[in-house]
Amino acid sequence: LAKTTQPISMDSYEGQEVNITCSHNNIATNDYITWYQQFPSQGPRFIIQGYKTKVTNEVASLFIPADRKSSTLSLPRVSLSDTAVYYCLVGDPMDTGRRALTFGSGTRLQVQP
Amino acid sequence: DTGVSQDPRHKITKRGQNVTFRCDPISEHNRLYWYRQTLGQGPEFLTYFQNEAQLEKSRLLSDRFSAERPKGSFSTLEIQRTEQGDSAMYLCASSVQGTLNTEAFFGQGTRLTVV
Repeated sequence: LAKTTQPISMDSYEGQEVNITCSHNNIATNDYITWYQQFPSQGPRFIIQGYKTKVTNEVASLFIPADRKSSTLSLPRVSLSDTAVYYCLVGDPMDTGRRALTFGSGTRLQVQP
Repeated sequence: DTGVSQDPRHKITKRGQNVTFRCDPISEHNRLYWYRQTLGQGPEFLTYFQNEAQLEKSRLLSDRFSAERPKGSFSTLEIQRTEQGDSAMYLCASSVQGTLNTEAFFGQGTRLTVV
């Protein structure tokens, strides 16, 4: 399993761009990088997934350097409602087992007014 | 609304009692996962089904825990002789096999309190 390392917590203010970096030095060739968001008392919610370079959707952008040993989730112009825990997962989506959905401790993002 | 339903949302039980939770996944999803989450921690994998077959179980799943997914549809997680350490949020998730997308849809969870 590719181990992931994220900051335990981050603080930001409304309107700022937030970048959360995840390290995954042992990422395998078939592994994808997936980010989930979790609000208190709710299940995690898929945000974005990528394999290399840059992926963007309506919620966030994901930057992956050429060596793929890290990735950065970018949240543009955060609001108070972005306060949540963000999880970085690394795994092979074609894997038939649990490997693709192993959560770490995540990064707690607190957005201040 | 993610489409994955869990019942009940909350359960308070006395130590030593048995409890059963139900998960109804999104109908066309053939993969189903159970996780346990305690305060301040990420979800911990418990077990995984592909259709009706239970393909993997975590070491966290002691012999007091059992999960089923009859006919590959809904799933149940039973905890026998509950202990205070079983108090946690139990999450169910479902996904589709064979797609290059690990997007799993989670339910709201069942919060278990053992007193």
